[in-house]
This record gives sequence, structure tokens and C-alpha cells, in this order.
Amino acid sequence: DAMVIQNPRYQVTQFGKPVTLSCSQTLNHNVMYWYQQKSSQAPKLLFHYYDKDFNNEADTPDNFQSRRPNTSFCFLDIRSPGLGDAAMYLCATSSGGTAGGPRPYEQYFGPGTRLTVT
Amino acid sequence: AQTVTQSQPEMSVQEAETVTLSCTYDTSESDYYLFWYKQPPSRQMILVIRQEAYKQQNATENRFSVNFQKAAKSFSLKISDSQLGDAAMYFCAYIRANNLFFGTGTRLTVIP
Repeated sequence: DAMVIQNPRYQVTQFGKPVTLSCSQTLNHNVMYWYQQKSSQAPKLLFHYYDKDFNNEADTPDNFQSRRPNTSFCFLDIRSPGLGDAAMYLCATSSGGTAGGPRPYEQYFGPGTRLTVT
Repeated sequence: AQTVTQSQPEMSVQEAETVTLSCTYDTSESDYYLFWYKQPPSRQMILVIRQEAYKQQNATENRFSVNFQKAAKSFSLKISDSQLGDAAMYFCAYIRANNLFFGTGTRLTVIP
């Protein structure tokens, strides 16, 4: 089945130690998103890629960066994790807002990576 | 700015009964999409139902239906014949320019 895969599902890192979260998709979607979701809160968009074009949200800290080496993969890098960065990180994809496409605005979510910072 | 408001942090429903979750939103756009997403405990977010703003007819997906009132900017979700598997956090969301704006969520408990 086509899907969005996130690895690892659980990640523990130390305060200040760089960490990378991975997302891959078999949907061949143009757009890939990274969200941060803290306990009992709504997901907060960090940034997204439309193909190779990177779109950063204005309030995303510089500590968070992303790479998309190809259509299938997207990475979230946290350069120096703080205790406040502990959260669930969700990756999502969509085919983008192209008229006539099947369900162009629907976002498909991965299972998330729960990050713990010690 | 687009905002999505869910005024019910928690709701409960008896199994087999019907429950309605509320959502209001604010936008200056005339054409947009609205969604309800479900996030079960420790499981991934899945789409429950979508509504295109230009369609007057309310969307329906099996036991899930919406009451879309465009003028009032209201988009409620009705779950009929509630099942234990419906227990989850439900998020209302608005999309513009490929970006989803979520409400704060409603936690639904289903009582056996």
C-alpha cells in the first residue's frame, strides 16, 4: 500500500545533541510537510517542500532545518535540541493544489516520531 | 489570517448514539477546503471527511457527516451510531495554499 513512513518511531537524544528524523513516501506526492505536535495540542506546521522549493514558517526556530534530496525522502534536522523540543513530529504529504488532480488538497500523515530530549 | 476554533475540548457519547463536534473558522477567501481529521491514541492522523466550500451539499462518509454553514463559517461533524473505535482526538482543519490550519481539537470518549 502507498504510504508515508517515518523512522524511527521513537527517538531519544541528549540536550544539545543533533538529531535527524526521517520521512519517506511511496505516494509520489509533490508536497512534503513537517509538523510539531506537543501533548494534547494541534499540530504546528514547521515547514514544507513543494518539489524542491522550501517554505519555512515564519515562527519556526532556526534550530530546525530540513532536507529533501529526492521526491521520496524528507529529513528534519534539529541542530541543538532543547527540552522544549520534545514532541511528536509528524510528516505529511499531498499532491499539491493542482486543479483536476485527485483529492489535491488531502494530506496523508505518517505515524510520527516521538522525540524525547534528556 | 485564518483561524479555526473548536470550542469543545472534550466530548463523550454513549456507544450507538450520535454526537456532534463543533468547529468555526475565519477566512476572507471564497473558495477553500475544510477537513475533519481523527487521531486515535498513539496512532496516526487520518482524514475523516472533507468539504469543498463551493459545494452547497454537505459531505457524508458512511457514519460521518458534516453540517457546513458557509455564511456562518461553521463546520460541524456528526458521528452517527458511535463505535468504540471512534474514540480519538478530532481536529477540524482549513486549508489554504497547501497549508493546513488546525483547530485545538476535541477529545471524544465513547462509553460502552
